[in-house]
Amino acid sequence: GQQVMQIPQYQHVQEGEDFTTYCNSSTTLSNIQWYKQRPGGHPVFLIQLVKSGEVKKQKRLTFQFGEAKKNSSLHITATQTTDVGTYFCAGNTNAGKSTFGDGTTLTVKP
Amino acid sequence: NAGVTQTPKFRVLKTGQSMTLLCAQDMNHEYMYWYRQDPGMGLRLIHYSVGEGTTAKGEVPDGYNVSRLKKQNFLLGLESAAPSQTSVYFCASKETANYGYTFGSGTRLTVV
Repeated sequence: GQQVMQIPQYQHVQEGEDFTTYCNSSTTLSNIQWYKQRPGGHPVFLIQLVKSGEVKKQKRLTFQFGEAKKNSSLHITATQTTDVGTYFCAGNTNAGKSTFGDGTTLTVKP
Repeated sequence: NAGVTQTPKFRVLKTGQSMTLLCAQDMNHEYMYWYRQDPGMGLRLIHYSVGEGTTAKGEVPDGYNVSRLKKQNFLLGLESAAPSQTSVYFCASKETANYGYTFGSGTRLTVV
């Protein structure tokens, strides 16, 4: 079945450093979504990427979708303590099936 | 606009007991889902529904049943709880298959 691998599992950074998490799918995706879950909270939808090679930005967050539509990344520039949490990708196929990565947990040291 | 509401928020069950988790959404979404989240294992799909009166199995359906009698409600049942079902359960809904999920705040279930 479809598998979505997300790396790294954990990332510890000093406030102000950059952070990147990567998502790789075993199959070609129709789109990919990114979610953020704060500690003790629930996942919150951040963005959806649909087109091959697409790049979208939300303030300090940059999302990329690979040319082959099998991988994606989320990059945070100059992390802040408010960025702490777990970031999940969810790969979606044309059949409407979603598979979540296991998430990358970000901690930020002030 | 409440979004997705889950009840209860916390529950402790004894092995063998049964319970129903309730999920209600007020966004008129067609698609509804139940996920469980365990440490280090991300979100795993239990059951889902693509419309009122329909249900389908997800990745980890054993030990659970669901019903979608009304479009706005999706119920998850545990007939005979086991310690392996200790987890955080999230309900989610989508307008269509290619939209993002809206998650509820979760139910933290402990089976002792």
